Amino acid sequence: AQKVTQAQTEISVVEKEDVTLDCVYETRDTTYYLFWYKQPPSGELVFLIRRNSFDEQNEISGRYSWNFQKSTSSFNFTITASQVVDSAVYFCALSGDSNYQLIWGAGTKLIIKP
Amino acid sequence: GAVVSQHPSRVICKSGTSVKIECRSLDFQATTMFWYRQFPKQSLMLMATSNEGSKATYEQGVEKDKFLINHASLTLSTLTVTSAHPEDSSFYICSAHTSRLADYSGNTQYFGPGTRLTVL
Repeated sequence: AQKVTQAQTEISVVEKEDVTLDCVYETRDTTYYLFWYKQPPSGELVFLIRRNSFDEQNEISGRYSWNFQKSTSSFNFTITASQVVDSAVYFCALSGDSNYQLIWGAGTKLIIKP
Repeated sequence: GAVVSQHPSRVICKSGTSVKIECRSLDFQATTMFWYRQFPKQSLMLMATSNEGSKATYEQGVEKDKFLINHASLTLSTLTVTSAHPEDSSFYICSAHTSRLADYSGNTQYFGPGTRLTVL
């Protein structure tokens, strides 16, 4: 069975602090994909990153970085120098190679205080 | 690229009426579209998967007669909530998937902005 766990329900930090959102997944597939989406208060889901199971390289995009570790089945997301505009709910998701359905984590609500 | 629109963005209706929500892929052809429902402060719940030209596949517990899905073309899928009741009030989100994008991004769903349905 596939499963995504985001243990942090809510995180609150002060602006400019770094923050890491955890994501742990379970799958028996050898080929799979991991995603992060951002959902601001408007509700629209914003695609942040897709990573396939064969690519364990960490990725950095501006203030965002992702740490994929197959050994611990984790795909953590770090925001450096957080800003108020980063406040949103962040979802981690998993899909296999045989179909395109997404298995969603419960989401982490991130609050950045000015 | 890979833009998905959803219409309407917000709808308020009376109990017993039917509401149609449209999901369009604007700049690509979507071979598969998904419909999700999201309750406040919860994650997305997959309702159904639809492929162009075929019947939708509904998730367990989702009433197919209640939530009618039509995927008539490669760019349009519709969700009709029939005889809506207050418990159907929710945020409905569609997504589209394709393997045909020139910059094929494999297994990525592109999401519409969502429709907030309120049934009085």
